[in-house]
Amino acid sequence: QVQLVESGGGVVQPGRSLSLSCAASGFSFGSFGIHWVRQAPGKGLEWVTVIRYDGSQQDYADSVKGRFTISRDNSKNTVYLQMNNLRAEDTAVYYCARDLWNGDARYFDYWGQGTQVTVSS
Amino acid sequence: EIVLTQSPGTLSLSPGERATLSCRASQSVNSNYLVWYQQKPGQAPRLLIYGASTRATGIPDRFSASGSGTDFTLTISRLEPEDFAVYYCQQHGGSYTFGQGTKLEIK
Repeated sequence: QVQLVESGGGVVQPGRSLSLSCAASGFSFGSFGIHWVRQAPGKGLEWVTVIRYDGSQQDYADSVKGRFTISRDNSKNTVYLQMNNLRAEDTAVYYCARDLWNGDARYFDYWGQGTQVTVSS
Repeated sequence: EIVLTQSPGTLSLSPGERATLSCRASQSVNSNYLVWYQQKPGQAPRLLIYGASTRATGIPDRFSASGSGTDFTLTISRLEPEDFAVYYCQQHGGSYTFGQGTKLEIK
């Protein structure tokens, strides 16, 4: 069965860095793009970033561009999110999600359970 | 950037009633890239509908969706207790924006 498991969340001071991981299993990891989506406390979903299946292309929301970096290691079935210069407004649950393109439609078909990131002094 | 506006913000209904949720885009969206998710408290979002109208695997047929261009609708024909949750629409045209969500609560 398809599984995505996030880890690496925690409490960090403003301006500091944190790295999240998304470990995948149950599917051909190197064939799928992976997204990060976050949800601030009591708020809606915000798309953060995506990495192409082969790691050759990434895209970022304006709110994190220049501070966050997504990468992947297909030999380890893992996607990483390096978050630098963190701000209070980055406080959220961070989810990774699998990108599925079925030839017609595109959607996030599997999500991890999320990892909490809290930016606070 | 395409902005998705969902209405109403909160919908209060009773089990057995029909729910109609709206998602309006600031510019035309390719229907292939319009998606609906359900989220319950403390859980990750769950895929409900993709391609504007296709139910995901395992989604009951009381869930249906339609729309094109800038106006999309999610309908739940007869609410079950487990349907009370927050529903998000999302579009994939260029970027990956979400609507702000509609909370479906028990009346």
